[in-house]
Amino acid sequence: LAKTTQPISMDSYEGQEVNITCSHNNIATNDYITWYQQFPSQGPRFIIQGYKTKVTNEVASLFIPADRKSSTLSLPRVSLSDTAVYYCLVGAENSNSGYALNFGKGTSLLVTP
Amino acid sequence: DVKVTQSSRYLVKRTGEKVFLECVQDMDHENMFWYRQDPGLGLRLIYFSYDVKMKEKGDIPEGYSVSREKKERFSLILESASTNQTSMYLCASRSGGGNEQFFGPGTRLTVL
Repeated sequence: LAKTTQPISMDSYEGQEVNITCSHNNIATNDYITWYQQFPSQGPRFIIQGYKTKVTNEVASLFIPADRKSSTLSLPRVSLSDTAVYYCLVGAENSNSGYALNFGKGTSLLVTP
Repeated sequence: DVKVTQSSRYLVKRTGEKVFLECVQDMDHENMFWYRQDPGLGLRLIYFSYDVKMKEKGDIPEGYSVSREKKERFSLILESASTNQTSMYLCASRSGGGNEQFFGPGTRLTVL
């Protein structure tokens, strides 16, 4: 399994753009990059997934450089409700036993007024 | 709407007791997972199952076993609960051909 490294914590003010970078130097060819969000006392929730270049949905954007050894989750104009833990995961699509995900410790984002 | 339910939100047990944590999903997913979450350690995978009666050890299987007799149900068993198994337990399911895991609300287990 590809190991991921992301900052333990980040702080931001409301309305700012937040970028959380994840390193995954040993990502495999078949691996996708997936981000989850977790609020206190809840299970993680899928945010976005990508393989290369850029992916955007209604919640976030995911930027993946050509070498795929890192990725950046971008949250535009954060609000207080974006305060949560964000997990970066790397794993192979359509792989049952091979997709045992390592969530790690995640990045704790605190948004303040 | 997809749904993963766990049998209890809060559970208190005594050391040495046998504990069953139940998870049920209504999405006909092939894959199911059990994690535990502890402060400072993040989510750690205990066991997962990619099909009925199939199971694989995760990162921390010691002290746990699992059972998957039906597709929709995945049980985590603590044969003899110990205080170091006090934790938040999260169940998740995923379609065999998909990537998104759907999580239940979690069970906060306290072993006294």
